[in-house]
Amino acid sequence: AQSVTQPDIHITVSEGASLELRCNYSYGATPYLFWYVQSPGQGLQLLLKYFSGDTLVQGIKGFEAEFKRSQSSFNLRKPSVHWSDAAEYFCAVGNYNQGGKLIFGQGTELSVKP
Amino acid sequence: ETGVTQTPRHLVMGMTNKKSLKCEQHLGHNAMYWYKQSAKKPLELMFVYSLEERVENNSVPSRFSPECPNSSHLFLHLHTLQPEDSALYLCASSQDRASYGYTFGSGTRLTVV
Repeated sequence: AQSVTQPDIHITVSEGASLELRCNYSYGATPYLFWYVQSPGQGLQLLLKYFSGDTLVQGIKGFEAEFKRSQSSFNLRKPSVHWSDAAEYFCAVGNYNQGGKLIFGQGTELSVKP
Repeated sequence: ETGVTQTPRHLVMGMTNKKSLKCEQHLGHNAMYWYKQSAKKPLELMFVYSLEERVENNSVPSRFSPECPNSSHLFLHLHTLQPEDSALYLCASSQDRASYGYTFGSGTRLTVV
């Protein structure tokens, strides 16, 4: 069965520091991979997605993620964090052949120190 | 504004009440979804509709009843809920299956008292 693991429940970084949020997936074939962000009281917003091709994908708000098949990982990175990046981040895996079902990780809450 | 609108934003209801959550999308998408988001738990997929037909029901209790009258609208009818049903209910839509990712609404914060 597909699964997504985000090992870090909560991360705190200083403003201006770099950020990496971890995501590991379990899936038998090449998955579709996504990162979403959720601000308090809001729905989820798509940051970026990977389907195929270049394993380094660029997203909105200066985020990028790298697909590493050998490690079954899809980590999210940002070189310099802004206070407005404080939110909850969700990694998700999907499969075209399973009728549009996305499986989400439990989320990583990001706090940003001034 | 994401193009997926959920109403109401907040709802408080008693355990004997009947209420409905509404979701509307103006993106021309063919699939719509209900997710439940409880504190400290992963998002739980409840229902999937594709081209107005329910294609998945993830063992959701019958006190939750979805309705999809057309490709732009999705409802979640609620009756005799339990306090543990209090959560953020998120609606999402996608062009076609999972290929394009989901567009989410802002959710309805439901409190059952």
